[in-house]
Amino acid sequence: GNSVTQMEGPVTLSEEAFLTINCTYTATGYPSLFWYVQYPGEGLQLLLKATKADDKGSNKGFEATYRKETTSFHLEKGSVQVSDSAVYFCALIPLSGGYQKVTFGTGTKLQVIP
Amino acid sequence: GAVVSQHPSRVICKSGTSVKIECRSLDFQATTMFWYRQFPKKSLMLMATSNEGSKATYEQGVEKDKFLINHASLTLSTLTVTSAHPEDSSFYICSAYPGLAAITPDEQFFGPGTRLTVL
Repeated sequence: GNSVTQMEGPVTLSEEAFLTINCTYTATGYPSLFWYVQYPGEGLQLLLKATKADDKGSNKGFEATYRKETTSFHLEKGSVQVSDSAVYFCALIPLSGGYQKVTFGTGTKLQVIP
Repeated sequence: GAVVSQHPSRVICKSGTSVKIECRSLDFQATTMFWYRQFPKKSLMLMATSNEGSKATYEQGVEKDKFLINHASLTLSTLTVTSAHPEDSSFYICSAYPGLAAITPDEQFFGPGTRLTVL
């Protein structure tokens, strides 16, 4: 079956530090890969996505590259801000021409301190 | 962009009562809606898949008689937690899939979630 593995948190960084949150996946074929962000007390928001190998998704300074050879989709940001404090979920959807169930990782809590 | 709303955002109820949570797609028609439950410090667990006009498909281990799902229209799905107990306290999130009208067929749009507290 499909699975997503994320690094365990919480991750605590100082403002302007470099962020990497690791994500690897197991799936057949070529799934679409996503990063969602959940701010305290809120629902999930799509942060970025990539639909094929070597694609780079980017948004709000965050980036992630779809690496088929390592089955990874690591999230990076060059300089984090306090406002980036949230829980980040890596996820995949198998690409089959229709909807499929989303497989989520367990989430990684990021705390950025001033 | 596509917007999904949930109502209420927070609800507190007494043990033994029933609570209904609504999920609406505001600017698109959703052929399929999903209901998730999020436990503290854990990931989202898919509870059921709801298709308009048909019975919901529940995931293994989810009690269909306790979590009643109705998808009466292409823009509305409801989750009713019947005879709620404290262990049902959780964060419930829905998502909606636009079907063939989707720009990309693989994307779902999530609601903001409903915090249920059962006393």
